Amino acid sequence: DGGITQSPKYLFRKEGQNVTLSCEQNLNHDAMYWYRQDPGQGLRLIYYSQIVNDFQKGDIAEGYSVSREKKESFPLTVTSAQKNPTAFYLCASSIASMNEQFFGPGTRLTVL
Amino acid sequence: KQEVTQIPAALSVPEGENLVLNCSFTDSAIYNLQWFRQDPGKGLTSLLLIQSSQREQTSGRLNASLDKSSGRSTLYIAASQPGDSATYLCAVRRNYGGSQGNLIFGKGTKLSVKP
Repeated sequence: DGGITQSPKYLFRKEGQNVTLSCEQNLNHDAMYWYRQDPGQGLRLIYYSQIVNDFQKGDIAEGYSVSREKKESFPLTVTSAQKNPTAFYLCASSIASMNEQFFGPGTRLTVL
Repeated sequence: KQEVTQIPAALSVPEGENLVLNCSFTDSAIYNLQWFRQDPGKGLTSLLLIQSSQREQTSGRLNASLDKSSGRSTLYIAASQPGDSATYLCAVRRNYGGSQGNLIFGKGTKLSVKP
């Protein structure tokens, strides 16, 4: 079954903790992306990676970090420096950076 | 700075009606435009992708048009069904600059189709 998986579906974090959201794809896509979605707002780009071992900041990268050690995987770490991390996080991938993007099911992060 | 606007924010129609969702963007220098559907609490499902050189794309009951010069796209849904109820998102892909290829999203139109 080809697609994008994200885990966990729900995540709860205490203030001051770092948490890592998983994103895996078996579509053989080069490009991967992380977005954040808040109620009443459009999706906003956090980080993107066009190829393994390379990634770039998006529009709202502060308080987040990523790695791209494998083509299939693009984990996102939400650090304690992120002031308002409660949101719905979506991972996406595409064959190349200018092509159609496909999305995973999302992770809902709540800070307690 | 590219901005994407979707009007209306919410739309309620009776089953069977044909309807049009609107998307406008401020910078016509786009590479392509993508329409998505999002069900509550779920990820995005890609519906249609229109390249900047194309005028329209069709998939089943869906037809998307693009007028790049006026900065507008429409998504036409024929013979709407209750299962079409969802939020529809429009996104444009930049054609220049360091963030070339990244999508800029509108806030979406929440569609409700009543039986």
